[in-house]
Amino acid sequence: RKEVEQDPGPFNVPEGATVAFNCTYSNSASQSFFWYRQDCRKEPKLLMSVYSSGNEDGRFTAQLNRASQYISLLIRDSKLSDSATYLCVATGNQFYFGTGTSLTVIP
Amino acid sequence: EAGVAQSPRYKIIEKRQSVAFWCNPISGHATLYWYQQILGQGPKLLIQFQNNGVVDDSQLPKDRFSAERLKGVDSTLKIQPAKLEDSAVYLCASSLNSGALSYNEQFFGPGTRLTVL
Repeated sequence: RKEVEQDPGPFNVPEGATVAFNCTYSNSASQSFFWYRQDCRKEPKLLMSVYSSGNEDGRFTAQLNRASQYISLLIRDSKLSDSATYLCVATGNQFYFGTGTSLTVIP
Repeated sequence: EAGVAQSPRYKIIEKRQSVAFWCNPISGHATLYWYQQILGQGPKLLIQFQNNGVVDDSQLPKDRFSAERLKGVDSTLKIQPAKLEDSAVYLCASSLNSGALSYNEQFFGPGTRLTVL
């Protein structure tokens, strides 16, 4: 079983839409969770950390559900510039990355 | 603040040849990671250093891959001999520190895109 599992998509959504990604993790002892964004042929960059109480950064909201062992990312009012792959991360003995979810925002 | 530096950015070699990658982490970052990212997949950890010591190399194919961080700053990753399936992007990342199950943010370098023919 993979440490972190994501739906690879692709998600194709129109501008202005709201889109949500989920990610499940297998290690109940994981303490740190992140969402990274990776543009095509670029390195991953931190989008946001995920806190137990949930956190919001502008149009982006991240939530953690420890009971069900999943984290989510909600993007509101999608922009063309949001098109990228979104990688979720859960920590165990190391950083465990999901395979990434591909998002394309269509004009 | 300077980011994580990596070189070369691209490398094309034939199978059975050797190749080496270099990484210079962000100044002051104690932890350095090497990842392999195959197209369509998330990064997979190859090796993690804390200063000049190896913390985790459980997923490093030690028959062909080696890495070192002798002075606790920059690091090299070597593949000898390369196989076709080693074609991937090799990402170096660094973080201030890491603890059991809890980690600081990792900052990634631009990666080295390796093609093995």
